[in-house]
Amino acid sequence: EVVMTQSPATLSVSPGERATLSCRASQSVSSNLAWYQQKPGQAPRLLIYDASTRAPGIAARFSGSGSGTDFTLTISSLQSEDFAVYYCQQYNNWPPWTFGQGTKVEIK
Amino acid sequence: EVQLVESGGGVVQPGGSLRLSCATSGFTFDAYAMHWVRQAPGKGLEWVSVIGGDGAYTSYLDSVKGRFTISRDNSTNSLYLQMNSLRTEDTAVYYCARDWNGYNDYWGQGILVTVSS
Repeated sequence: EVVMTQSPATLSVSPGERATLSCRASQSVSSNLAWYQQKPGQAPRLLIYDASTRAPGIAARFSGSGSGTDFTLTISSLQSEDFAVYYCQQYNNWPPWTFGQGTKVEIK
Repeated sequence: EVQLVESGGGVVQPGGSLRLSCATSGFTFDAYAMHWVRQAPGKGLEWVSVIGGDGAYTSYLDSVKGRFTISRDNSTNSLYLQMNSLRTEDTAVYYCARDWNGYNDYWGQGILVTVSS
């Protein structure tokens, strides 16, 4: 099973600042990595797939990078609606599909 | 518009059973694998099960193998999860999600399953 580890657990950021979230896989997942955003009481929403491709309708301020075992989600200028929990997911070695434990982005 | 709507959740005693349903619309259902993903209260996302578009392929999280059964009815565009021998640790919001090239591009709103005596 591929273990996904996200850091930090919580990220405190001021509106307008840049946020950088990390995700590390216990073994190579190539570029088969997705990022999801989840707000309280809502279902997850796909942001990024194939490590760096934005899903339809996702704002350009969200960008993903990395391959192999180390990945990054960057939010270039945080808006109020971006405060949420973000999860990475690998879909290279399955089953099982595995998620990171999440990074909460909170208002500083 | 793609829609996924879960139903069938509720409160059940340990050892009991529950059947979740996911009604879908807005896409060619039998062309897609479908997943169940759960989220325990205050916790992260955990993949539970997957079924291929024609129903021939299924897979399960180790902790639910032998207790949960995923199925689908392509004539009614519906996905199911039969959950037997439920444990308190199965308490979670259960989401159905569509598979696209391995990741989940659409999710239902989720349904709460509470296992408690």
